[in-house]
Amino acid sequence: DTEVTQTPKHLVMGMTNKKSLKCEQHMGHRAMYWYKQKAKKPPELMFVYSYEKLSINESVPSRFSPECPNSSLLNLHLHALQPEDSALYLCASSQGLLRRQGAHTDTQYFGPGTRLTVL
Amino acid sequence: GNSVTQMEGPVTLSEEAFLTINCTYTATGYPSLFWYVQYPGEGLQLLLKATKADDKGSNKGFEATYRKETTSFHLEKGSVQVSDSAVYFCALKKWGGNQFYFGTGTSLTVIP
Repeated sequence: DTEVTQTPKHLVMGMTNKKSLKCEQHMGHRAMYWYKQKAKKPPELMFVYSYEKLSINESVPSRFSPECPNSSLLNLHLHALQPEDSALYLCASSQGLLRRQGAHTDTQYFGPGTRLTVL
Repeated sequence: GNSVTQMEGPVTLSEEAFLTINCTYTATGYPSLFWYVQYPGEGLQLLLKATKADDKGSNKGFEATYRKETTSFHLEKGSVQVSDSAVYFCALKKWGGNQFYFGTGTSLTVIP
């Protein structure tokens, strides 16, 4: 099973709202990722969690706040977003192999995404 | 640094035509290489991968060979179908670390 689930599938929110995106995997993966994807563009990395610790934050504005409550769950908390934040938000996971384990062979599996619209 | 360069799209082919989508990379160390496919309104799905030089990844009739001498990982399919219409992303996973690097994507449309 290589399934990553994301909820909700669609989200419409105003600029003053607070909402959360959720991501879940049960593959025993220890690395989880948030990406933002605009139409006709590749995914842009936002955050990486490795063993439940934030390991990469690609200079994302503070209105996006990630959280990794346990090894299976990843949340993205949204607050005071701007219309330009409207995009497809993708979650992904990988085994989180270490270098001595052959980290370069690690394969990333994506969820279906949450289509976010900010009004 | 690490980067992936893909051929510009969009690409339009007739059904049963031969497909090639070019991908070249720049990387330090020994990266792994991947092709992902994204159908409209969906997330990215792993199509195939190769983890070392001269490896060939294959899946659903698609193939790509890891060529270290030309730093390339071109995607090929002998006979495309309408259902192959999607956006294809070439990606690399660098030696060590958790980061993946994606190409810009190539949109493929197959017409009956």
